Amino acid sequence: ILNVEQSPQSLHVQEGDSTNFTCSFPSSNFYALHWYRWETAKSPEALFVMTLNGDEKKKGRISATLNTKEGYSYLYIKGSQPEDSATYLCAFSGNTGFQKLVFGTGTRLLVSP
Amino acid sequence: SQTIHQWPATLVQPVGSPLSLECTVEGTSNPNLYWYRQAAGRGLQLLFYSVGIGQISSEVPQNLSASRPQDRQFILSSKKLLLSDSGFYLCAWSALTGLNEQFFGPGTRLTVL
Repeated sequence: ILNVEQSPQSLHVQEGDSTNFTCSFPSSNFYALHWYRWETAKSPEALFVMTLNGDEKKKGRISATLNTKEGYSYLYIKGSQPEDSATYLCAFSGNTGFQKLVFGTGTRLLVSP
Repeated sequence: SQTIHQWPATLVQPVGSPLSLECTVEGTSNPNLYWYRQAAGRGLQLLFYSVGIGQISSEVPQNLSASRPQDRQFILSSKKLLLSDSGFYLCAWSALTGLNEQFFGPGTRLTVL
């Protein structure tokens, strides 16, 4: 059974703080690592898909890094804003069989003004 | 552009009643389709996926079933709901090839009483 873990489970920061979360996944049979943002009452929205060890992606104030050898990815948010409040999900995709996504339980971020 | 629809948005059903949730995708052909559930306090759990009409793979044993009568239609059903079926149900699609980036529908909140 594949295990994808995210930490912390929840986080409460002040507007302007920078923050980061961790996603741990199996280091064997790696194919891709996905990050999603899930705002309350909306659908999960894809942020990044990363495939290469050392990959780094950026979208505005949000960036992510990938280490496939040790099986972890970091998501960083610089200068958090209240609109960044959401649950951030990572999902692992392996390279054996059908490439379904295995999701972590998410990190719930609350940014206070 | 592609869009994914789910209905109903919310549903309250008594224990033992049947269930039918529908998902349709527009703007793409031959998508992979998925049903996920998020139970209270838990992550996204893959229930079923389908790579084509009539082709259904089940991920976890349960009293739910899925069908794909048309290329872009995916239905989640139950003959008799249990209390444990309560949760938030998400449908998603991905392209037949590529990195399996998934796009989610708006979801259905199911409460079984």
